[in-house]
Amino acid sequence: EVQLVQSGGGLIQPGESLRLSCAASGFIVRSKYMSWVRQAPGKGLEWVSVIYSDGSTYYGDPVKGRFTISRDNSKNTLYLQMSSLRAEDTAVYYCAGRDVGDYPYFDFWGQGTLVTVSS
Amino acid sequence: QSALTQPRSVSGSPGQSVAISCTGTSSDVGGSNYVSWYQQYPDKAPKLMIYDVNKRPSGVPDRFSGHKSGNTASLTISGLQAEDEADYYCCSNAGSHTLVFGGGTKLTVL
Repeated sequence: EVQLVQSGGGLIQPGESLRLSCAASGFIVRSKYMSWVRQAPGKGLEWVSVIYSDGSTYYGDPVKGRFTISRDNSKNTLYLQMSSLRAEDTAVYYCAGRDVGDYPYFDFWGQGTLVTVSS
Repeated sequence: QSALTQPRSVSGSPGQSVAISCTGTSSDVGGSNYVSWYQQYPDKAPKLMIYDVNKRPSGVPDRFSGHKSGNTASLTISGLQAEDEADYYCCSNAGSHTLVFGGGTKLTVL
């Protein structure tokens, strides 16, 4: 059974940094197409970032230059390093992965972790 | 990367069919076959319901179907059931390895 278990959310002040983790089991992170997707309170889904199986990474305009997606193959874990956080980054963040191939669909999702940016 | 346009809400009675539209541009929906649909219950993670415009993952009932014409994709749910009441989001490849979601549609089963 595939499980993506997230950690690292919380309350943080504007301008600070935070790292989210997504630990996988039954699923090899290094060979998968994986993304971070966020959802502001009461709002819709917003795509944040992707890492392909070959390691290439891409970002949505609102987070480009501030967020970094990465993975640790030895820990089978996906990360999202977030810096210069703003109030508008407040959201539940989900990690999500594709089962087969580098296609933009997500068969598996983490449970979500809430990030609140507020002073 | 503007969000794809979906109706805020749709409703239908049990047994009926409903369709949810998702309108984009030639840079996303119109120019891509990588269109997908997700179902989301409150406080839960989304679930993939349709991919490649009209394909269903294993385990998704055939009551769910997808279609695309020009810049508009649609999700049709036939034989509505109470358990179908949820939020639905479309998603499309938007070029340059980016994705864009729709604003979401709340389906109410009357």
